[in-house]
Amino acid sequence: GIQVEQSPPDLILQEGANSTLRCNFSDSVNNLQWFHQNPWGQLINLFYIPSGTKQNGRLSATTVATERYSLLYISSSQTTDSGVYFCAVEPIQGAQKLVFGQGTRLTINP
Amino acid sequence: DAGVTQSPTHLIKTRGQQVTLRCSPKSGHDTVSWYQQALGQGPQFIFQYYEEEERQRGNFPDRFSGHQFPNYSSELNVNALLLGDSALYLCASRGVGSGNTIYFGEGSWLTVV
Repeated sequence: GIQVEQSPPDLILQEGANSTLRCNFSDSVNNLQWFHQNPWGQLINLFYIPSGTKQNGRLSATTVATERYSLLYISSSQTTDSGVYFCAVEPIQGAQKLVFGQGTRLTINP
Repeated sequence: DAGVTQSPTHLIKTRGQQVTLRCSPKSGHDTVSWYQQALGQGPQFIFQYYEEEERQRGNFPDRFSGHQFPNYSSELNVNALLLGDSALYLCASRGVGSGNTIYFGEGSWLTVV
């Protein structure tokens, strides 16, 4: 099945810093979403981005489908950005389910 | 517009018991999926329901079963609980109007002792 790899696994930054999270996937996909999991477990939708670039405030994401990777950018980090960020893809084969990476744990220190 | 809602939020069960978790999809969504997330891992797909039928299934044993009702809500049942079933169980929904975006509920934390 499709493989999803996220890097780095852990990232510790000071408040105000910028960060880039990467997601590589091994096959073509119908769907790619970035999520932020809060400490209570809820997965918050950040972006639906199977291709192209989107921005939402301090967050932006780019997916290059032909090269099978996606990047999530966080600028001017705040302590509330802390948590685990997941990339999830919906493979073309066996669609209708999301395959998740292992996540990047981001810690923003004040 | 209510999002995906799940109940209960937390529960503790004894090994060998059975558990039922419930999910109401986001308004307008007709497809419900369930995921299991073990500590420190990404969520793993269990199965998906559409039109009251199981449409896809991940690599989970038959102890995991489900149901979808005419109002699109869903239940996840786990029989003969094992210690390894302790996890966060997440419900997700999608449907017309939200494109391909999949939305998740807050999850049900299950502890098996």
